[in-house]
Amino acid sequence: GAVVSQHPSWVICKSGTSVKIECRSLDFQATTMFWYRQFPKQSLMLMATSNEGSKATYEQGVEKDKFLINHASLTLSTLTVTSAHPEDSSFYICSVLDGGNGYTFGSGTRLTVV
Amino acid sequence: AQSVTQLGSHVSVSEGALVLLRCNYSSSVPPYLFWYVQYPNQGLQLLLKYTSAATLVKGINGFEAEFKKSETSFHLTKPSAHMSDAAEYFCAVSGSGGYNKLIFGAGTRLAVHP
Repeated sequence: GAVVSQHPSWVICKSGTSVKIECRSLDFQATTMFWYRQFPKQSLMLMATSNEGSKATYEQGVEKDKFLINHASLTLSTLTVTSAHPEDSSFYICSVLDGGNGYTFGSGTRLTVV
Repeated sequence: AQSVTQLGSHVSVSEGALVLLRCNYSSSVPPYLFWYVQYPNQGLQLLLKYTSAATLVKGINGFEAEFKKSETSFHLTKPSAHMSDAAEYFCAVSGSGGYNKLIFGAGTRLAVHP
């Protein structure tokens, strides 16, 4: 499967600031990536589907103006949490749709907003 | 719409005992089904997947799962638990008969005691 690199692995930011998380597909040109959010001891909730060269498709209830997704190239998708607040603190995970092989997940980013 | 139900949020077994993690799915089309394992503060690792081929699927680390359409189940088993199997396990379904967005179950935390 594809090799996926997610960066940073953890980040602490002040309330009101913005944070960018990167998801890179190192050896596969990914037209489709997914962004998930996971609260402690809970499951993964799909936030959005990121499509290269077009707008992301957000799941119901996810604020598109708060969680900005950019997929400008076949190897990079970014998630920017804008004007972060403590309730945005969570574990964010990306995954790459690896053609006919399925999905490869990044190692996740632990975001803490103080 | 697709959905996944994992019965039992916590399962505890003795080392060497059988592991059985239950997953039932709901899908209006033939599903693709997956089992993932997650260790603390890490991404997800694929254990195995069902994509409409053989109903008994063998995965990594001695795990296997059987797709039973009549029971809408995809339970995960391992004959003999190892201490290193202690982790969170997620069952997931991809809808529309192919690789699309993954919908995850709530997860089952497996504890293995000596």
